[in-house]
Amino acid sequence: AQSVSQHNHHVILSEAASLELGCNYSYGGTVNLFWYVQYPGQHLQLLLKYFSGDPLVKGIKGFEAEFIKSKFSFNLRKPSVQWSDTAEYFCAVNWNYGGSQGNLIFGKGTKLSVKP
Amino acid sequence: DTGVSQNPRHKITKRGQNVTFRCDPISEHNRLYWYRQTLGQGPEFLTYFQNEAQLEKSRLLSDRFSAERPKGSFSTLEIQRTEQGDSAMYLCASRLVDVPDSYEQYFGPGTRLTVT
Repeated sequence: AQSVSQHNHHVILSEAASLELGCNYSYGGTVNLFWYVQYPGQHLQLLLKYFSGDPLVKGIKGFEAEFIKSKFSFNLRKPSVQWSDTAEYFCAVNWNYGGSQGNLIFGKGTKLSVKP
Repeated sequence: DTGVSQNPRHKITKRGQNVTFRCDPISEHNRLYWYRQTLGQGPEFLTYFQNEAQLEKSRLLSDRFSAERPKGSFSTLEIQRTEQGDSAMYLCASRLVDVPDSYEQYFGPGTRLTVT
């Protein structure tokens, strides 16, 4: 069955520290990859996405992610976190079948706490 | 704001009662999804519609659950004879299909259901 794994349940960092959150998906094929963020009390928002092309994608608020096909990974990075990045981060994958894209499979999420 | 809206935002009900939630997608988005999210988990797919047609249902969607999208615009999700295990956040998302590079789904704020 298709699955998405996020390696860290809770990450605590100080401001200005670098961030990397891991995400792996279960098997290959053509995939669309996403990172969503959920700030406290808010709904899920798209942070960045990868469909094709350059495997290094840049998103909002200084986030970026790298798609490594051979490792089935799509890790999220930010060079210097801010207190306002405190949120829960979800990796999600959508597998393409014959040109039709269905639902998203989400990881369990990583809660990021940034200490001021 | 023309994002995805959901009503009600919170619902408390007694076990055995029926509940209905509504989702209004982004205007002209032809695909609508329902997900369920429990504490410590990422959203899990329930079902999706393309226009008024329900194209896929998850095994999570038991016989007590039914969803409709009668005119291809808003959607309702009904849970009959609620159980405590139905307590969760119910999320709605929408997207536009058949447009290049439009794979991302836009999420609403969710309806939090508590079954007592």
